[in-house]
Amino acid sequence: DIQMTQSPPSLSASLGDKVTITCQTSQNINKYIAWYQQKPGKAPRLLIGFTSRLVSGIPSRFSGSGSGRDYSFSISNVESEDIASYYCLQYDNSPFTFGSGTKLEIK
Amino acid sequence: EIQLQESGPGLVKPSQSLSLTCSVTGYTITSGYDWSWIRKFPGNKMEWMGYISYSGSTNYNPSLKSRISITRDTSKNQFFLQLNSVTTEDTATYYCARRRAPFDYWGQGVMVTVSS
Repeated sequence: DIQMTQSPPSLSASLGDKVTITCQTSQNINKYIAWYQQKPGKAPRLLIGFTSRLVSGIPSRFSGSGSGRDYSFSISNVESEDIASYYCLQYDNSPFTFGSGTKLEIK
Repeated sequence: EIQLQESGPGLVKPSQSLSLTCSVTGYTITSGYDWSWIRKFPGNKMEWMGYISYSGSTNYNPSLKSRISITRDTSKNQFFLQLNSVTTEDTATYYCARRRAPFDYWGQGVMVTVSS
């Protein structure tokens, strides 16, 4: 199985800040990484696929980059509605595996 | 609009089987893509469990392979999860999701507790 090392486990940011979450994979996943937002009691929401492809309707303040084994996800100009947990997912190889999540809080 | 909805018992006894249904509206499950079960444990770890494809083939996480079965009823546009010999470690919120590489549509999830 491909291991996903996601960091940090939690983030505290002020409104308007830029925050970055990273995922390192145990092997090359050929950019097949996605990023999800999850709010309590809700289903995960797909934000970005294939490293950097923003899903339709998702604000452009969300972005992703990376290659090989190292990937990152950023939110620029953090807004209050961004309070949530964020997860990475590799879908290059079965079994598909998730990162451990990052909880974003507002200072 | 594509919607998925999980249903099933919220409490299962240890050693018994867990059975859940995912009802899909807005898309026919035989038209394309894979249809997955994913769970989120109380500590927030997420695990992909397996899928049934639009053609009916299945792919399971090897960690569950001896206990899991995913089937479907195409006449009702539903697919199902059966997990056998459950323990308290199977307590989780269970989601069904469509995999259009990656998972794009999800159900709201159903919380299942394994307890005597």
